[in-house]
Amino acid sequence: DVKVTQSSRYLVKRTGEKVFLECVQDMDHENMFWYRQDPGLGLRLIYFSYDVKMKEKGDIPEGYSVSREKKERFSLILESASTNQTSMYLCASSYTGLGANVLTFGAGSRLTVL
Amino acid sequence: AQKVTQAQTEISVVEKEDVTLDCVYETRDTTYYLFWYKQPPSGELVFLIRRNSFDEQNEISGRYSWNFQKSTSSFNFTITASQVVDSAVYFCALRGAGNMLTFGGGTRLMVKP
Repeated sequence: DVKVTQSSRYLVKRTGEKVFLECVQDMDHENMFWYRQDPGLGLRLIYFSYDVKMKEKGDIPEGYSVSREKKERFSLILESASTNQTSMYLCASSYTGLGANVLTFGAGSRLTVL
Repeated sequence: AQKVTQAQTEISVVEKEDVTLDCVYETRDTTYYLFWYKQPPSGELVFLIRRNSFDEQNEISGRYSWNFQKSTSSFNFTITASQVVDSAVYFCALRGAGNMLTFGGGTRLMVKP
């Protein structure tokens, strides 16, 4: 019954490495989102996509890029990881229209950058 | 700009106690939506409720109830007779005219047996 799958639960990377976080949803949702979760700061939106090959910057896009080549897959890319990108990353998806913003989340990917 | 404040970062209660999680929001939009999500230890946020700005009726779902008051810009969440399984981080969120949700900082609830 898994609906939003994030490929890695835990990753440890070194400063300067390129990091890919993958997210797949099987609900045919138009919208997909990447959030970052840090204690006391809640969830902050990095990027979102409302259609294939479309992307919009969220609140904190610096240092990140995204790719959406297929409707079901939304990837977050850290071109050169830095220690301040150590965090929990959450992927989510939703329908457009009335169902918008009732997000379905994945279990999260905890990234540590050394 | 919109903002959501959850002033309680952590709450600890004993099982069967009632507990209220506070949420205060700021927005200039006249039409907006408010949400509560639960994040259990497994990590996956779970949607609990959505309210729109024109519907101020309180809602009850089992042991959960929500009190929406536009006059104080608050959307508080009460758990009655708390259980250990209620232990989680709870997030309040707001969507205004834009397409993005703004989340509060979250409240960690610990229910002890």
